[in-house]
Amino acid sequence: AQSVTQLDSQVPVFEEAPVELRCNYSSSVSVYLFWYVQYPNQGLQLLLKYLSGSTLVKGINGFEAEFNKSQTSFHLRKPSVHISDTAEYFCAVSDRGAAGNKLTFGGGTRVLVKP
Amino acid sequence: SAVISQKPSRDICQRGTSLTIQCQVDSQVTMMFWYRQQPGQSLTLIATANQGSEATYESGFVIDKFPISRPNLTFSTLTVSNMSPEDSSIYLCSVRPTGAGNTIYFGEGSWLTVV
Repeated sequence: AQSVTQLDSQVPVFEEAPVELRCNYSSSVSVYLFWYVQYPNQGLQLLLKYLSGSTLVKGINGFEAEFNKSQTSFHLRKPSVHISDTAEYFCAVSDRGAAGNKLTFGGGTRVLVKP
Repeated sequence: SAVISQKPSRDICQRGTSLTIQCQVDSQVTMMFWYRQQPGQSLTLIATANQGSEATYESGFVIDKFPISRPNLTFSTLTVSNMSPEDSSIYLCSVRPTGAGNTIYFGEGSWLTVV
């Protein structure tokens, strides 16, 4: 079984400031890691993913995340946010085995970018 | 990636009725998934829809309440039966396209309100 914890339910941040969204996971097997974004009244869009290789992953819209196996974390960062980054962000994991198609989601972090 | 279309995008339903949500993908995929997102909550997997076999339901979800069809490799339906206000949610279809590098993509969701 897997679980995902997003440590902050809400993160207010001023425009052009940096933001970090924290994600920790628990799993008895190796996992793939994902960040999705949900803009207001929209579906989910993939921001970035870690499958293997370099632990620093770059995604769309200037976001990046770092996989830390020893700390079982996959924190998301952006050095300078825009108003348009206001959205809900979900961290998710899937295992690498045959059941690896299923995603387990964290509770989400709502980012509110203030002018 | 994959282009996933869901219908209806939004609906208001009467208590006790049933509604069928359609999911169409622009390429053939082996597995399709249905998730539910209750208001203000994260996503929960309802079931995995396999072509040519019965859907596999997660704990807490049953076929009588959420019957699923998967007639071919590009299409699936989810029916929400005998709806109550507690079924008011976003229902999302997702797929893992072949060769997508273990990445799962989501449709825009179907936003149901039960009154």
